[in-house]
Amino acid sequence: QSALTQPASVSGSPGQSITISCSGTPSDIGDTNYVSWYQQHPGKVPKLIIFDVTNRPSGVSNRFSGSKSGNTASLTISGLQGEDEADYYCNSYINDGSWVFGGGTKVTVL
Amino acid sequence: QVQLQESGPGLVKPSETLSLTCSVSDDSISTGSYCWAWIRQPPGKGLEWIVNMCYSGTKYYNPSLKSRVTISADTSKRHFFLMMTSVTAADSAIYYCTRRTAFTSRRDIWGQGTLVTVSS
Repeated sequence: QSALTQPASVSGSPGQSITISCSGTPSDIGDTNYVSWYQQHPGKVPKLIIFDVTNRPSGVSNRFSGSKSGNTASLTISGLQGEDEADYYCNSYINDGSWVFGGGTKVTVL
Repeated sequence: QVQLQESGPGLVKPSETLSLTCSVSDDSISTGSYCWAWIRQPPGKGLEWIVNMCYSGTKYYNPSLKSRVTISADTSKRHFFLMMTSVTAADSAIYYCTRRTAFTSRRDIWGQGTLVTVSS
C-alpha cells in the first residue's frame, strides 16, 4: 500500500481559509466514505477532527470541514487561527480491509 | 471517557521481538462494537497504520508488515497486544494504540504513545 498524497506544507494568514488535499486511488478514497483527518501539535497525540469524510466529533470547531471528490479528499480550515498551526494527516480505508495514512501536511499561520 | 495506555520496553535490540501492551480502562474491548489498532510514528515523520482487530475477531494487517506482526487480546484483563518480530532500526517509533468505532472511520481514542528505540 502506498501512502496517500498530501502537500508537505500549506500556509495562510489569520482569518483566511486554506484547503489541504489528500489524493488516493480508486481502491481507497475513491471506494469509501471511511476517510478521516487528524490534527497533531508538536509532541502531542493526534486528534480526530473529521471522520466519515464530512463529520465532526463533538467539541471540534466548525471551522474545520471535510469533503471528497473522486479519489481526493480535502480538509478546509476557515477563519485560520494561530492555534491551527499543526500537522494534519488524512486516513482512508482500503478495500482489502487495511488502512493508510497520508504523509502529513504542516500548516503554518503567517 | 475510556482511556488507553501503552506499555512495553523502551529499548529493543535488533533482530529481537518487540512486545507492547495496550490497557483499556473500560469493558469496551469485550462489550462494544469497536476496532482496536496499533499505529506508529517514527520521530519527525508521519503516521503509519500497522494492524487492527475488531470486536468480531477479524484482523487486518499492513501488507508491508504482515509477516512480522501479530495482534491479540485478553479481553478479561482489558488488554490488547502487539508483537513484532525481527525488528530493525527502521522500527524505532512512537507506538500508539487506538480505538475506532466499527463501520466508521471514527478513531477518536488514542493512547499517549510509547517510544520504542531499536538499538544494540
